[in-house]
Amino acid sequence: RKEVEQDPGPFNVPEGATVAFNCTYSNSASQSFFWYRQDCRKEPKLLMSVYSSGNEDGRFTAQLNRASQYISLLIRDSKLSDSATYLCAVNTDSWGKLQFGAGTQVVVTP
Amino acid sequence: EPEVTQTPSHQVTQMGQEVILRCVPISNHLYFYWYRQILGQKVEFLVSFYNNEISEKSEIFDDQFSVERPDGSNFTLKIRSTKLEDSAMYFCASSGPGQGAYEQFFGPGTRLTVL
Repeated sequence: RKEVEQDPGPFNVPEGATVAFNCTYSNSASQSFFWYRQDCRKEPKLLMSVYSSGNEDGRFTAQLNRASQYISLLIRDSKLSDSATYLCAVNTDSWGKLQFGAGTQVVVTP
Repeated sequence: EPEVTQTPSHQVTQMGQEVILRCVPISNHLYFYWYRQILGQKVEFLVSFYNNEISEKSEIFDDQFSVERPDGSNFTLKIRSTKLEDSAMYFCASSGPGQGAYEQFFGPGTRLTVL
């Protein structure tokens, strides 16, 4: 089983719609969880950290479900500029190596 | 807003040659990392560095790889004898201090092409 798994997509989303997708992790000792956004051939950009029961930042909401070992990202009122690959990242230390999923591609269409 | 910078943006080298990839982490950060991403694949951890020594390294980070913080600002990754399979995007990241140690910020990357 892969340590961090994501649905590769693509998720084709009409502009203004809501999209949500999950990321599962295998190590129950994982402590910190993050969502990054990656545009084509660019660096991962930190979108949100996900701690305890989750958090919200504008149109983006991240949730953590420790019992089922997954995190989710929900994007409301999708914009064309939200088109990107969303990477889930997990670590088991308070700092230290991040294990990334392969990413979920989101395509927002007019 | 402070950011991680990396040079060069693109490096082309011949197989067997040595390359040094350079990074300037965010100035007050204490933890430094190198990751790589082969085209079409996921981002993979190579090494973490704290207090002037390696904290953790992956299986990828074999004897051909080394890291150094030669002064108070630069953080380098050296590949001693490059192989074709080393062709990838190499990202430097930094984090910390305190609560910020959890969140890693990535540089724009160096695209390494080994011919």
